[in-house]
Amino acid sequence: GENVEQHPSTLSVQEGDSAVIKCTYSDSASNYFPWYKQELGKRPQLIIDIRSNVGEKKDQRIAVTLNKTAKHFSLHITETQPEDSAVYFCAASTQGTYKYIFGTGTRLKVLA
Amino acid sequence: DAGVTQSPTHLIKTRGQQVTLRCSPKSGHDTVSWYQQALGQGPQFIFQYYEEEERQRGNFPDRFSGHQFPNYSSELNVNALLLGDSALYLCASSSLAGGPRPDTQYFGPGTRLTVL
Repeated sequence: GENVEQHPSTLSVQEGDSAVIKCTYSDSASNYFPWYKQELGKRPQLIIDIRSNVGEKKDQRIAVTLNKTAKHFSLHITETQPEDSAVYFCAASTQGTYKYIFGTGTRLKVLA
Repeated sequence: DAGVTQSPTHLIKTRGQQVTLRCSPKSGHDTVSWYQQALGQGPQFIFQYYEEEERQRGNFPDRFSGHQFPNYSSELNVNALLLGDSALYLCASSSLAGGPRPDTQYFGPGTRLTVL
């Protein structure tokens, strides 16, 4: 069935360093890949997304890369700040279904 | 411009009871999706409503049902509650009809359901 694996489950970095979170999806028909940030007790917030016709997308300190052949995509956060600390979820969606299959989440801790 | 809202914020029920959760989509959105998020897990897709009909469903039993109203708001009903139904229930809204980004979903704050 459809599945999204996400690694690592926890990640600690020093402030100013980079963080990378990786996801692998199983459904080759997936064509949309959003990333959400969820702070404790709050709603998931969309931080960046990428579609299958693009290999990379960047928004200030955040970037996402997609490798369709390998069926994996990654979130890159540069110059991390304490406020980046949260749980990050990747998801995959197939055109026409618009249902998200989420990864299990990565708890990012940015140490000051 | 109001975002996605959900009510109630918290709910405590006992096994066997029934519960109804409510969601109002973001202004301009016509589609509501419901997700269950167990503690420490990623959200799991329950179902999606568009034009007052269920258009997609995940692997959840028939105890989970829903409804969408003409104003696009939605309800999630769960019957015969089990302890394992304790979770954060999230709704997300999107725009399938005429929107430039039909696949982008915006989440509400969730309803925390505890089943005792």
